[in-house]
Amino acid sequence: EVQLVESGGGLVQPGGSLRLSCAASGFTFGSYGMNWVRQAPGKGLEWVAYASGISGNIYYADFAKGRFTISRDNDKNALYLQMNSLRADDTAMYYCGRASDFDYWGQGVLVAVSS
Amino acid sequence: QAGLAQPPSMSRDLRQTATLTCSGSKNNVGNQGAAWLQQRQGHPPKLLFYRNNKRPSGISERFSVSRSGNTASLTISGLQAEDEADYYCTAWDSDLTVWLFGGGTKLTVL
Repeated sequence: EVQLVESGGGLVQPGGSLRLSCAASGFTFGSYGMNWVRQAPGKGLEWVAYASGISGNIYYADFAKGRFTISRDNDKNALYLQMNSLRADDTAMYYCGRASDFDYWGQGVLVAVSS
Repeated sequence: QAGLAQPPSMSRDLRQTATLTCSGSKNNVGNQGAAWLQQRQGHPPKLLFYRNNKRPSGISERFSVSRSGNTASLTISGLQAEDEADYYCTAWDSDLTVWLFGGGTKLTVL
């Protein structure tokens, strides 16, 4: 059974940093690209970043470029999102999602940016 | 980055049919199609259709998709109360090299 479990969220002050993790199981992690997607309270889904399985291709949404870094450790079956210079409008539920068409999602982790 | 265009809301009666649309451009929907996701209140999204129009296992055959040019459509027939949810389309934009999401359509089943 495919499982994705996010962790690392919490309350952080504006300008602070957080590192989110996504633990994957039930599939050959290195064979799949992975995404981070966020959803602000009461709002729609917003793609954040993508990391391919093996080729090393990485893509970011414009708002994430220069502040967020996606990475993965295929030996540990883990996906990460390092978020720096956080702003109030980064407050959202952050989900990791598998592969190109988001066929599996985690339950999400809440990030709240507030003073 | 502009997203894909979806009507924000729709309401239909029980047992009726709802068709939700998703408009993009030749660089995204018109190129590789759109995937469709369902999100019920308080839950993570769930994939309904891959971009190649294939339905994941466990998805009801009451759900179907089509595409005409740069617009993708999701049709739900025989609406049930459990179909009340937010529906999102998503597509890869080959020009911008980003994933785009529609703003979502909130479907109310009366």
